[in-house]
Amino acid sequence: NAGVTQTPKFQVLKTGQSMTLQCAQDMNHEYMSWYRQDPGMGLRLIHYSVGAGITDQGEVPNGYNVSRSTTEDFPLRLLSAAPSQTSVYFCASSYGTSGTSYNEQFFGPGTRLTVL
Amino acid sequence: AQSVTQPDIHITVSEGASLELRCNYSYGATPYLFWYVQSPGQGLQLLLKYFSGDTLVQGIKGFEAEFKRSQSSFNLRKPSVHWSDAAEYFCAVGGGARGANNLFFGTGTRLTVIP
Repeated sequence: NAGVTQTPKFQVLKTGQSMTLQCAQDMNHEYMSWYRQDPGMGLRLIHYSVGAGITDQGEVPNGYNVSRSTTEDFPLRLLSAAPSQTSVYFCASSYGTSGTSYNEQFFGPGTRLTVL
Repeated sequence: AQSVTQPDIHITVSEGASLELRCNYSYGATPYLFWYVQSPGQGLQLLLKYFSGDTLVQGIKGFEAEFKRSQSSFNLRKPSVHWSDAAEYFCAVGGGARGANNLFFGTGTRLTVIP
């Protein structure tokens, strides 16, 4: 298994440009999520999905869109990039969650995004 | 609302010395608690987790953590640090309205190991 893969590894954008960060997993995990990591702030949840066709917002969803058309893929879209979105982005996946249950999350290697 | 505090931004220890990384959480119910490690340029790896039961949990790489409800703490310990333990360590709490898998992370503690 490749686990959780993210592309690209690095990206530089200009303010106002759009792009999609890709995330894929081959473990048949129902749950997928996106976090951003900023210095001194730890990781913060952007959006998550509990299955194909179902998404919801996390702590910091503004400026980001997601969709989940397949179990394997969970892309994160920046419609109009801003310097405040400069960050390292991590995708994670796990088997399904049902409120009080927990399954170990597997994290991808991250995408380092710079917005000029 | 959940929150996690890691009061130590950076800790330096000598190889072979013991280690304790502090974590305090805020959560109304019984929390799901985690410690993750991140090596430079890498993703996060789960070291250990606590859901219920024995308050002393063992993890990978010789780490352990103790849940103390009265102190709202979940400190990570290792009796003898190895140079390969140099990394950033994150405490996290899961649960709440969005379910156990959605994690709130602390700001991290960077560990430096000197020979």
